[in-house]
Amino acid sequence: SQTIHQWPATLVQPVGSPLSLECTVEGTSNPNLYWYRQAAGRGLQLLFYSVGIGQISSEVPQNLSASRPQDRQFILSSKKLLLSDSGFYLCAWGGSQETQYFGPGTRLLVL
Amino acid sequence: GNSVTQMEGPVTLSEEAFLTINCTYTATGYPSLFWYVQYPGEGLQLLLKATKADDKGSNKGFEATYRKETTSFHLEKGSVQVSDSAVYFCALSDRGGSNYKLTFGKGTLLTVNP
Repeated sequence: SQTIHQWPATLVQPVGSPLSLECTVEGTSNPNLYWYRQAAGRGLQLLFYSVGIGQISSEVPQNLSASRPQDRQFILSSKKLLLSDSGFYLCAWGGSQETQYFGPGTRLLVL
Repeated sequence: GNSVTQMEGPVTLSEEAFLTINCTYTATGYPSLFWYVQYPGEGLQLLLKATKADDKGSNKGFEATYRKETTSFHLEKGSVQVSDSAVYFCALSDRGGSNYKLTFGKGTLLTVNP
């Protein structure tokens, strides 16, 4: 069966510091991978998606970037965090079907 | 573009009460529709889905019917439990090339009291 992991689970970072969040998927090959952000009291916003290694599409201009160095690894990064980057970050995978399956999330607080 | 509108929460019910969470959508083409549930501090879990008009998705006592004529996908449960307390998200899918994108509503917080 497929599983999706995210780490860390919680992160507190100062403004201006770098960020790296990691997501890995097990039990499937060549998945579509997605990064979402959930801000407090708001819905989910799609940040990036990837259909293959090295292929990244950005949905909204922002302070973040994404990379996919391996088939089942998806990384969300920032060189300098802003206060507005605080939120709950969710990674998801999808296959040939349209259903997406979500990881446990990373809660990021930028102070 | 695509959009999903769901009723604002929070919704507070007593155990065994009937639940309805309204969801309407705007989309081009024929999207699939989903309900996801998020328990406190966790990621999203797929609750149910429907892929074409008049389909009924069901799971764990929850149901939703894809109504194309009213562009709606309302979530219902006949008798809620305390363990159903969570945030519920309605979503639709939109295929672009080899990739499906989900558009989510803002979520509805449900609290069930004993």
